[in-house]
Amino acid sequence: EIVLTQSPGTLSLSPGERATLSCRASQTVSSRYLAWYQQKPGQAPRLLIYGASNRATGIPDRFSGSGSGTDFTLTISRLEPEDFAVYYCQQYAGSPWTFGQGTKVEIK
Amino acid sequence: QVQLQESGPGLVEPSETLSLTCTVSSGSITSYYWSWIRQAPGKGLEWIGYIYYSGSTYYNPSLKSRVTISVDTSKNQFSLQLNSVTAADTAVYYCARRHYYYDYFDYWGQGTLVTVSS
Repeated sequence: EIVLTQSPGTLSLSPGERATLSCRASQTVSSRYLAWYQQKPGQAPRLLIYGASNRATGIPDRFSGSGSGTDFTLTISRLEPEDFAVYYCQQYAGSPWTFGQGTKVEIK
Repeated sequence: QVQLQESGPGLVEPSETLSLTCTVSSGSITSYYWSWIRQAPGKGLEWIGYIYYSGSTYYNPSLKSRVTISVDTSKNQFSLQLNSVTAADTAVYYCARRHYYYDYFDYWGQGTLVTVSS
């Protein structure tokens, strides 16, 4: 099973700042089969990024994903008020599909 | 746009069977895999398993001995049964659609909280 470790656990930033979230895998995630989701309180996760760097339909271009191998990054270039949420990475390179424990982006 | 809605009891007694149904609307259940994912209070997400519309299933090995996922294409529904539940199975249960080609999840239900308690 591929274990995903996200860091930091919490990121305290102000609107307009840049957010950089990390997801590290316990083994190589082949073909960059990594996705990112956003979850707000009381809501279901929303797909943001797939294939490590491809934005899902309707996702603003301030969200970008990068990385390969075991190290992946989600960047939010300028935080909008609606971006404060919890973000999860998920690998789909090897079953069982697994998620990271999440990074909370909170208002500073 | 596809919509998913979970339904089922919010309280299950220990050692009993948890049963949930997901109804798919604004789209057909055919040609896709349909999944169950759960999130224990304050915890991350855990993939439980999924089913193809034809009935083929794939389960997380950690839960495989206790899980059954089934599909009813005539009702555009799929279901989860988790038996011998304990307090550790208390979670919000989400149904979700697997992307057509890859194993990420592009549409999700709102989730339903199931508490295991006597």
